[in-house]
Amino acid sequence: DAGVTQSPTHLIKTRGQQVTLRCSPKSGHDTVSWYQQALGQGPQFIFQYYEEEERQRGNFPDRFSGHQFPNYSSELNVNALLLGDSALYLCASSFEEAVHEQFFGPGTRLTVL
Amino acid sequence: KNQVEQSPQSLIILEGKNCTLQCNYTVSPFSNLRWYKQDTGRGPVSLTIMTFSENTKSNGRYTATLDADTKQSSLHITASQLSDSASYICVVTRKRFSGTYKYIFGTGTRLKVLA
Repeated sequence: DAGVTQSPTHLIKTRGQQVTLRCSPKSGHDTVSWYQQALGQGPQFIFQYYEEEERQRGNFPDRFSGHQFPNYSSELNVNALLLGDSALYLCASSFEEAVHEQFFGPGTRLTVL
Repeated sequence: KNQVEQSPQSLIILEGKNCTLQCNYTVSPFSNLRWYKQDTGRGPVSLTIMTFSENTKSNGRYTATLDADTKQSSLHITASQLSDSASYICVVTRKRFSGTYKYIFGTGTRLKVLA
């Protein structure tokens, strides 16, 4: 039973570029949440997807967008990258009826130069 | 304001010693509280989860306590090992009136275990 997987593991981009991060939820899970974690800080909630729609959103600008596919996998897109977007991006999955049971992926380390 | 505060911010102990990490929260309405262990550059891994009615929960050498009256939780690590070196994050789940859940993260305690 595969857990939450994310790709790529590491990514280096320059300012102004666009990036797409990918997440496959744990088997049986249908809800995907994305978090941004700056070095030395706790994770900050970006948004959550359920039934292919954005259900909740944190305090992040519209440059951050996402998508959920019919197989429940998800993408996080960030446009017009800023230096401050450098962080570990975490994906977490859960099953709708047990939304408090979240499992995290290993994360994608994004560095913006 | 819904907040989760953890202390200490960092901690260094010798291998084999015990330690206790603290988490205070002002989240309402409360649904549950979870402790995560996060190795550097990796995703958090759940250690324990406690609901309002639970006072203590153990997972091996990790024991979490919850006092819902004072809104405090602690994570006690017994006989520490080098592999316990990590950040420990306290997360409180708040149930919104809409029925959705919001996770309030603490900033974590960075534990370093020395040989």
